[in-house]
Amino acid sequence: AQKVTQAQTEISVVEKEDVTLDCVYETRDTTYYLFWYKQPPSGELVFLIRRNSFDEQNEISGRYSWNFQKSTSSFNFTITASQVVDSAVYFCALSEANGNQFYFGTGTSLTVIP
Amino acid sequence: DSGVTQTPKHLITATGQRVTLRCSPRSGDLSVYWYQQSLDQGLQFLIQYYNGEERAKGNILERFSAQQFPDLHSELNLSSLELGDSALYFCASSVAGTTDPRIYNEQFFGPGTRLTVL
Repeated sequence: AQKVTQAQTEISVVEKEDVTLDCVYETRDTTYYLFWYKQPPSGELVFLIRRNSFDEQNEISGRYSWNFQKSTSSFNFTITASQVVDSAVYFCALSEANGNQFYFGTGTSLTVIP
Repeated sequence: DSGVTQTPKHLITATGQRVTLRCSPRSGDLSVYWYQQSLDQGLQFLIQYYNGEERAKGNILERFSAQQFPDLHSELNLSSLELGDSALYFCASSVAGTTDPRIYNEQFFGPGTRLTVL
């Protein structure tokens, strides 16, 4: 069965520190997608990134980077030089290849202290 | 703005009542998903529709039902409401339905409907 685990419930860092949010997934599918979403205090869910199971290349977007490792079934998210605006709940998610089912982790609440 | 719209934004009602939440997907998206987010349960997948047909079912109570109409908008009906149904209800849409892994299936979320049951 598919499952997404975000073991870190809450993280607090001081502004400008780097922080890594962990995501471990389980699936028997060979083709699947992984996602990260951000939910700021305003409540909306914002798409950050997707990665398909064929592509293990890491990705960097500004201060954000993602490390996908199939060998450990992990898709970790790192924020470099964190800012107060990064304070939010971050969700990792897994979907079947045809998008018929999405599995969300329980989220990690990140607080960046000025 | 994700392109997904949800109405109403807020809803306050009493126990035992019935409400309908509405969602319009992004233009071109055929799949609609409903989620419930409560403080103690996190983000729970309820149900998915693809082009008018139910495609996947999650932790949806029997008191809840949904449908997707020919114009692809969807409604989530919640009946015999209980205090514990108070939550943020999200709708999301995606292209979905294809087995081609080159077609991305990320979900785009609406702003949510905050339901308060008193």
